[in-house]
Amino acid sequence: AQSVTQPDIHITVSEGASLELRCNYSYGATPYLFWYVQSPGQGLQLLLKYFSGDTLVQGIKGFEAEFKRSQSSFNLRKPSVHWSDAAEYFCAVGAWNTGNQFYFGTGTSLTVIP
Amino acid sequence: GAVVSQHPSWVICKSGTSVKIECRSLDFQATTMFWYRQFPKQSLMLMATSNEGSKATYEQGVEKDKFLINHASLTLSTLTVTSAHPEDSSFYICSASGPNTEAFFGQGTRLTVV
Repeated sequence: AQSVTQPDIHITVSEGASLELRCNYSYGATPYLFWYVQSPGQGLQLLLKYFSGDTLVQGIKGFEAEFKRSQSSFNLRKPSVHWSDAAEYFCAVGAWNTGNQFYFGTGTSLTVIP
Repeated sequence: GAVVSQHPSWVICKSGTSVKIECRSLDFQATTMFWYRQFPKQSLMLMATSNEGSKATYEQGVEKDKFLINHASLTLSTLTVTSAHPEDSSFYICSASGPNTEAFFGQGTRLTVV
């Protein structure tokens, strides 16, 4: 069965500190992996995605993520967090052979301390 | 990336009335559209999948007579919440994908039933 696990419900970091948000997945086919960010009351904004190729992908706002097939992980990282990064982050997995149906993790809420 | 427009962004309605939410793909033909629901501080849960010209496929536990989905054209899908009640208050998000394309998300609609 397909599933996405985000082990950290809530993370607090200081502005300027580094950040890593964890994501593990279980998927029967070759997965396509995504990270989305959602500000309060807003829709989803795509940060980055992995389809194939280089396992380290760069996204917007200085985020990057690394696909590790052996660990079934797709962790999101940022070297230096800004106060505006405070939001909810969702990891998702999908595949075209399922018609682009997405499975979302439960999300990680990020608080940034000035 | 492609643009998916969702309207309205927010709506307040009285209990017992019906509300229609539109999801439009502005620059591509969306052969498949997905509707998700997100309760406060929770992840997105797939409600139904619709293919253009076909009846929607609903996830287990989603009442198809309450959440009417129409996907009559390649650029428009609608979700109608019939006889809405306060427990239907939620954030509804659509996503759309074309043949061999990834899915793109709308901005979401916040429904409040009073």
